[in-house]
Amino acid sequence: EAQVTQNPRYLITVTGKKLTVTCSQNMNHEYMSWYRQDPGLGLRQIYYSMNVEVTDKGDVPEGYKVSRKEKRNFPLILESPSPNQTSLYFCASSIPLDNEQFFGPGTRLTVL
Amino acid sequence: AQSVTQLGSHVSVSEGALVLLRCNYSSSVPPYLFWYVQYPNQGLQLLLKYTTGATLVKGINGFEAEFKKSETSFHLTKPSAHMSDAAEYFCAVSDPGGYSTLTFGKGTMLLVSP
Repeated sequence: EAQVTQNPRYLITVTGKKLTVTCSQNMNHEYMSWYRQDPGLGLRQIYYSMNVEVTDKGDVPEGYKVSRKEKRNFPLILESPSPNQTSLYFCASSIPLDNEQFFGPGTRLTVL
Repeated sequence: AQSVTQLGSHVSVSEGALVLLRCNYSSSVPPYLFWYVQYPNQGLQLLLKYTTGATLVKGINGFEAEFKKSETSFHLTKPSAHMSDAAEYFCAVSDPGGYSTLTFGKGTMLLVSP
Protein backbone atom coordinates (compact mmCIF):
# COMPACT_ATOMS: atom_id res chain seq x y z
CA GLU A 1 0.00 0.00 0.00
CA ALA A 2 1.30 3.43 -0.99
CA GLN A 3 1.70 5.47 2.14
CA VAL A 4 3.58 7.99 4.24
CA THR A 5 4.31 6.84 7.77
CA GLN A 6 5.30 8.90 10.79
CA ASN A 7 6.55 7.89 14.20
CA PRO A 8 5.70 8.44 16.91
CA ARG A 9 2.07 9.43 16.53
CA TYR A 10 1.96 11.04 19.95
CA LEU A 11 4.82 12.44 21.99
CA ILE A 12 4.98 14.32 25.27
CA THR A 13 8.39 15.68 26.20
CA VAL A 14 10.05 18.39 28.26
CA THR A 15 11.76 21.59 27.25
CA GLY A 16 15.27 21.08 25.94
CA LYS A 17 15.17 17.32 25.41
CA LYS A 18 16.21 16.53 21.85
CA LEU A 19 13.74 14.53 19.80
CA THR A 20 13.33 13.14 16.29
CA VAL A 21 10.12 12.46 14.42
CA THR A 22 10.62 10.00 11.61
CA CYS A 23 8.92 10.09 8.23
CA SER A 24 9.09 7.46 5.54
CA GLN A 25 7.37 7.08 2.16
CA ASN A 26 7.22 4.05 -0.13
CA MET A 27 6.17 5.83 -3.34
CA ASN A 28 9.65 6.75 -4.58
CA HIS A 29 8.75 10.44 -4.39
CA GLU A 30 11.56 12.92 -4.73
CA TYR A 31 9.82 15.82 -2.97
CA MET A 32 9.15 15.61 0.77
CA SER A 33 7.98 18.23 3.22
CA TRP A 34 7.19 18.90 6.88
CA TYR A 35 4.28 21.04 8.09
CA ARG A 36 2.97 22.10 11.43
CA GLN A 37 -0.74 22.64 11.99
CA ASP A 38 -2.00 25.02 14.64
CA PRO A 39 -5.63 26.05 15.30
CA GLY A 40 -6.63 29.02 13.19
CA LEU A 41 -3.34 29.07 11.30
CA GLY A 42 -3.77 26.15 8.90
CA LEU A 43 -0.69 24.28 7.74
CA ARG A 44 2.64 26.04 7.62
CA GLN A 45 5.65 24.55 5.94
CA ILE A 46 8.72 23.98 8.08
CA TYR A 47 11.24 22.45 5.66
CA TYR A 48 11.16 20.70 2.34
CA SER A 49 13.45 18.55 0.26
CA MET A 50 13.54 18.20 -3.50
CA ASN A 51 15.86 15.20 -3.45
CA VAL A 52 18.51 13.38 -1.46
CA GLU A 53 20.88 15.82 0.25
CA VAL A 54 18.81 18.81 -0.96
CA THR A 55 16.81 20.60 1.72
CA ASP A 56 15.47 24.12 2.11
CA LYS A 57 13.62 26.24 4.63
CA GLY A 58 9.90 26.75 4.49
CA ASP A 59 7.92 29.46 6.23
CA VAL A 60 8.62 28.51 9.88
CA PRO A 61 12.02 26.76 10.09
CA GLU A 62 13.30 28.23 13.37
CA GLY A 63 14.03 25.56 15.97
CA TYR A 64 13.92 22.67 13.52
CA LYS A 65 16.41 20.64 11.52
CA VAL A 66 15.94 18.03 8.82
CA SER A 67 18.09 15.63 6.87
CA ARG A 68 17.59 13.67 3.66
CA LYS A 69 20.19 10.96 3.42
CA GLU A 70 17.89 8.48 1.69
CA LYS A 71 15.09 9.12 -0.76
CA ARG A 72 12.42 7.45 1.36
CA ASN A 73 13.21 9.06 4.74
CA PHE A 74 12.93 12.66 5.92
CA PRO A 75 13.28 12.97 9.70
CA LEU A 76 12.41 16.14 11.60
CA ILE A 77 14.73 17.00 14.45
CA LEU A 78 14.04 19.32 17.36
CA GLU A 79 17.38 19.80 19.10
CA SER A 80 16.03 21.85 22.01
CA PRO A 81 12.24 21.77 21.98
CA SER A 82 10.29 24.62 23.53
CA PRO A 83 6.60 24.88 24.50
CA ASN A 84 5.82 26.99 21.41
CA GLN A 85 6.66 23.94 19.32
CA THR A 86 3.68 22.10 20.77
CA SER A 87 1.72 21.33 17.62
CA LEU A 88 0.44 18.73 15.18
CA TYR A 89 3.11 17.82 12.64
CA PHE A 90 2.57 16.34 9.20
CA CYS A 91 5.03 14.86 6.78
CA ALA A 92 4.12 14.77 3.09
CA SER A 93 5.59 13.55 -0.16
CA SER A 94 4.77 14.70 -3.61
CA ILE A 95 4.35 13.68 -7.20
CA PRO A 96 6.64 16.11 -9.00
CA LEU A 97 4.37 16.36 -12.02
CA ASP A 98 1.46 18.22 -10.41
CA ASN A 99 2.50 18.86 -6.80
CA GLU A 100 -0.22 16.65 -5.32
CA GLN A 101 1.01 15.90 -1.82
CA PHE A 102 0.37 12.70 0.12
CA PHE A 103 0.21 13.18 3.86
CA GLY A 104 1.20 11.04 6.78
CA PRO A 105 -1.18 10.51 9.71
CA GLY A 106 0.39 13.23 11.84
CA THR A 107 2.39 13.44 15.05
CA ARG A 108 0.93 15.29 17.98
CA LEU A 109 3.76 16.80 20.00
CA THR A 110 3.43 18.36 23.43
CA VAL A 111 6.42 20.15 24.94
CA LEU A 112 6.08 20.85 28.66
CA ALA B 1 4.38 35.26 -3.06
CA GLN B 2 1.23 33.22 -3.11
CA SER B 3 -1.56 33.39 -0.60
CA VAL B 4 -4.87 31.66 -0.02
CA THR B 5 -7.93 33.07 1.71
CA GLN B 6 -10.73 30.84 2.90
CA LEU B 7 -13.80 32.83 3.82
CA GLY B 8 -15.33 31.61 7.05
CA SER B 9 -13.50 29.53 9.63
CA HIS B 10 -16.75 27.64 10.29
CA VAL B 11 -19.64 26.87 7.95
CA SER B 12 -22.84 25.22 9.16
CA VAL B 13 -25.33 23.46 6.90
CA SER B 14 -28.23 21.09 7.35
CA GLU B 15 -28.07 17.57 6.01
CA GLY B 16 -29.23 17.64 2.39
CA ALA B 17 -28.40 21.32 1.88
CA LEU B 18 -25.90 22.76 -0.56
CA VAL B 19 -22.31 22.98 0.63
CA LEU B 20 -20.29 26.00 -0.53
CA LEU B 21 -16.78 26.58 0.82
CA ARG B 22 -15.02 29.63 -0.54
CA CYS B 23 -11.38 29.91 -1.58
CA ASN B 24 -9.64 32.87 -3.19
CA TYR B 25 -6.00 32.91 -4.09
CA SER B 26 -3.31 35.37 -5.01
CA SER B 27 -0.70 34.26 -7.51
CA SER B 28 1.44 35.94 -10.14
CA VAL B 29 1.07 32.99 -12.53
CA PRO B 30 -1.81 30.60 -13.30
CA PRO B 31 -1.57 28.26 -10.34
CA TYR B 32 -2.31 24.68 -9.52
CA LEU B 33 -5.16 24.48 -7.00
CA PHE B 34 -6.13 21.82 -4.48
CA TRP B 35 -8.78 21.03 -1.91
CA TYR B 36 -7.90 18.71 0.96
CA VAL B 37 -10.15 17.32 3.68
CA GLN B 38 -9.14 16.43 7.22
CA TYR B 39 -11.38 14.19 9.30
CA PRO B 40 -10.92 14.24 13.08
CA ASN B 41 -7.61 12.75 14.21
CA GLN B 42 -6.54 11.97 10.67
CA GLY B 43 -4.15 13.31 8.07
CA LEU B 44 -5.11 15.30 5.01
CA GLN B 45 -6.74 13.60 2.05
CA LEU B 46 -6.94 15.07 -1.43
CA LEU B 47 -10.51 15.87 -2.55
CA LEU B 48 -9.71 17.30 -5.96
CA LYS B 49 -7.15 19.31 -7.88
CA TYR B 50 -6.92 21.67 -10.84
CA THR B 51 -3.78 21.84 -12.93
CA THR B 52 -4.77 22.57 -16.52
CA GLY B 53 -7.68 21.93 -18.85
CA ALA B 54 -11.33 21.84 -17.82
CA THR B 55 -12.03 24.44 -15.17
CA LEU B 56 -14.80 22.43 -13.48
CA VAL B 57 -13.13 19.69 -11.52
CA LYS B 58 -14.92 16.74 -9.95
CA GLY B 59 -13.50 15.04 -6.91
CA ILE B 60 -14.31 12.30 -4.46
CA ASN B 61 -17.44 12.04 -2.32
CA GLY B 62 -19.53 14.17 -4.72
CA PHE B 63 -17.51 17.37 -4.34
CA GLU B 64 -16.56 19.63 -7.21
CA ALA B 65 -14.81 22.97 -7.67
CA GLU B 66 -14.56 25.50 -10.44
CA PHE B 67 -11.45 27.48 -11.29
CA LYS B 68 -12.42 31.05 -12.17
CA LYS B 69 -9.36 32.95 -13.28
CA SER B 70 -11.13 36.30 -13.51
CA GLU B 71 -12.31 36.00 -9.90
CA THR B 72 -9.13 34.25 -8.65
CA SER B 73 -11.40 31.74 -6.98
CA PHE B 74 -11.67 27.99 -6.55
CA HIS B 75 -14.81 27.44 -4.49
CA LEU B 76 -15.76 23.93 -3.36
CA THR B 77 -19.35 22.74 -3.67
CA LYS B 78 -21.49 19.70 -3.04
CA PRO B 79 -25.19 19.65 -3.93
CA SER B 80 -26.36 17.76 -0.86
CA ALA B 81 -24.50 17.58 2.44
CA HIS B 82 -24.19 14.34 4.36
CA MET B 83 -23.38 13.94 8.03
CA SER B 84 -20.14 12.22 7.05
CA ASP B 85 -18.96 15.43 5.31
CA ALA B 86 -18.34 17.08 8.66
CA ALA B 87 -14.60 17.79 8.64
CA GLU B 88 -12.08 20.55 8.12
CA TYR B 89 -11.37 21.59 4.53
CA PHE B 90 -8.21 23.22 3.27
CA CYS B 91 -7.63 25.03 0.00
CA ALA B 92 -4.05 25.12 -1.30
CA VAL B 93 -2.18 26.69 -4.20
CA SER B 94 1.15 26.06 -5.88
CA ASP B 95 3.06 27.40 -8.82
CA PRO B 96 2.60 25.35 -11.97
CA GLY B 97 5.08 22.65 -12.76
CA GLY B 98 6.75 20.21 -10.44
CA TYR B 99 8.58 20.60 -7.16
CA SER B 100 6.63 23.67 -6.10
CA THR B 101 5.61 24.36 -2.54
CA LEU B 102 1.97 24.19 -1.50
CA THR B 103 0.59 27.22 0.31
CA PHE B 104 -2.45 26.41 2.42
CA GLY B 105 -5.39 28.46 3.57
CA LYS B 106 -6.31 28.50 7.25
CA GLY B 107 -9.07 25.98 6.81
CA THR B 108 -12.86 25.89 7.07
CA MET B 109 -14.62 23.61 9.50
CA LEU B 110 -17.83 22.22 7.98
CA LEU B 111 -20.55 21.41 10.50
CA VAL B 112 -23.51 19.33 9.33
CA SER B 113 -26.66 19.18 11.40
CA PRO B 114 -29.45 16.63 11.04
